[in-house]
Amino acid sequence: DAGVTQSPTHLIKTRGQQVTLRCSPKSGHDTVSWYQQALGQGPQFIFQYYEEEERQRGNFPDRFSGHQFPNYSSELNVNALLLGDSALYLCASSLNGGTYEQYFGPGTRLTVT
Amino acid sequence: GIQVEQSPPDLILQEGANSTLRCNFSDSVNNLQWFHQNPWGQLINLFYIPSGTKQNGRLSATTVATERYSLLYISSSQTTDSGVYFCAVARSGGSNYKLTFGKGTLLTVNP
Repeated sequence: DAGVTQSPTHLIKTRGQQVTLRCSPKSGHDTVSWYQQALGQGPQFIFQYYEEEERQRGNFPDRFSGHQFPNYSSELNVNALLLGDSALYLCASSLNGGTYEQYFGPGTRLTVT
Repeated sequence: GIQVEQSPPDLILQEGANSTLRCNFSDSVNNLQWFHQNPWGQLINLFYIPSGTKQNGRLSATTVATERYSLLYISSSQTTDSGVYFCAVARSGGSNYKLTFGKGTLLTVNP
C-alpha cells in the first residue's frame, strides 16, 4: 500500500520564477492538503482540495494556487517566487472530512535564490 | 484561530529515560494528532487521538478534550527517538479541515 508521494524531492529556483509541486495521495484517500514549513517552525496550512475544488484556504497570497485531478492527485503552483518562499512543502492526504487522520508525504524542499 | 502550545520546547535525555511532552490548545477540537519529524523532514504519524488514551509500544498518549490538553509519553527512550515532536489539531465546528501545528518539542536522546 503506497503512502503519500511527492515530487520533486528538491528544487532550486530563482526569484520571480514559477514552480509546480506534485502530490499523489495514499491509496483510498480523496482529500489533499498542502502545508508550508519554514526552518524551525511548525507546518502552516496553505489549502485543501476535495472533489477537485479548493474548499479551505489558509493565510497565503494568491500567488499560491492549486489543482486536484480526477485521480485525486494534486499540484501546488507558486508564481513570482520570493526568497521567503524557501521552505519544505508538505502534502497530506486523508478521507473526506476534518475529523479523519491526515498522512504526510516526504515533502519537497524548495530553495529560492 | 485556534492556538496550540507545546512544552517543553527542548528536551535532552539520556538513553533509557522517560519523558512527557505536553500540548495545550485553546478551543474544542475534533482531530488531534502527534507526529515525529525525522531529520529528513518526514512527518511520521504517532497517534490520532482527539480524546482518550492510546498506546503503541514504548509510546502512549492521552487527550483530555474537556481540559484542552494532550500528553505524549515516551518510555525507555532510545537515540532513534531524537527529533522534533509536533502536536496538531483541527478545531471543531463549521467547515474547518485544516490542522494547526504547535511549534514542536526538540528531543535529543544521548547514548
